[in-house]
Amino acid sequence: QQQVKQSPQSLIVQKGGISIINCAYENTAFDYFPWYQQFPGKGPALLIAIRPDVSEKKEGRFTISFNKSAKQFSLHIMDSQPGDSATYFCAAKSGGYQKVTFGIGTKLQVIP
Amino acid sequence: NAGVTQTPKFQVLKTGQSMTLQCAQDMNHNSMYWYRQDPGMGLRLIYYSASEGTTDKGEVPNGYNVSRLNKREFSLRLESAAPSQTSVYFCASSEPGLAGGNEQYFGPGTRLTVT
Repeated sequence: QQQVKQSPQSLIVQKGGISIINCAYENTAFDYFPWYQQFPGKGPALLIAIRPDVSEKKEGRFTISFNKSAKQFSLHIMDSQPGDSATYFCAAKSGGYQKVTFGIGTKLQVIP
Repeated sequence: NAGVTQTPKFQVLKTGQSMTLQCAQDMNHNSMYWYRQDPGMGLRLIYYSASEGTTDKGEVPNGYNVSRLNKREFSLRLESAAPSQTSVYFCASSEPGLAGGNEQYFGPGTRLTVT
């Protein structure tokens, strides 16, 4: 049973375009929603994270939009660059638990 | 400051063989994790250790055992490897953030093939 549903599984975007990756969850106890970025042959690394008391968080070209009522959150990459080509994972954590549940990942390819 | 290190980087096993994957972190984190990554399946938690001396099963623990040797080290053992355990294995560590967050720091991974 997938607790965090992520789509699409793969995405091709032109350089300069906007990349959008969506995630949905069911567990209302989740209170921390990170996004991880993974380059080929490397381990994932934290990209940006949000808590449900805010609707949007922006860091440079990366923005998380959060819709608590719909239990959905998304990652937007503005002005996508070939160097953004990677696999992106959304994730969620609940309360005092240190376990994080990951989505299945989205392989992003930004073409020149 | 090396972060999270894993050994070996690559390994090929025959069905039925055993091996231990090693992980160490130098960030003084209390929590450590083992994940496996498979195409189309994302990152699935095998075992985790919330603190030294404790371990708990994750989503896919069957066929694996773990040891939290001390605060720095967390090993994963395959007692009798099966082809279904062919995967990329990641170790991670974390410490609760001030705002309740939990940034996990991942190692570079071990690519395991079981034939």
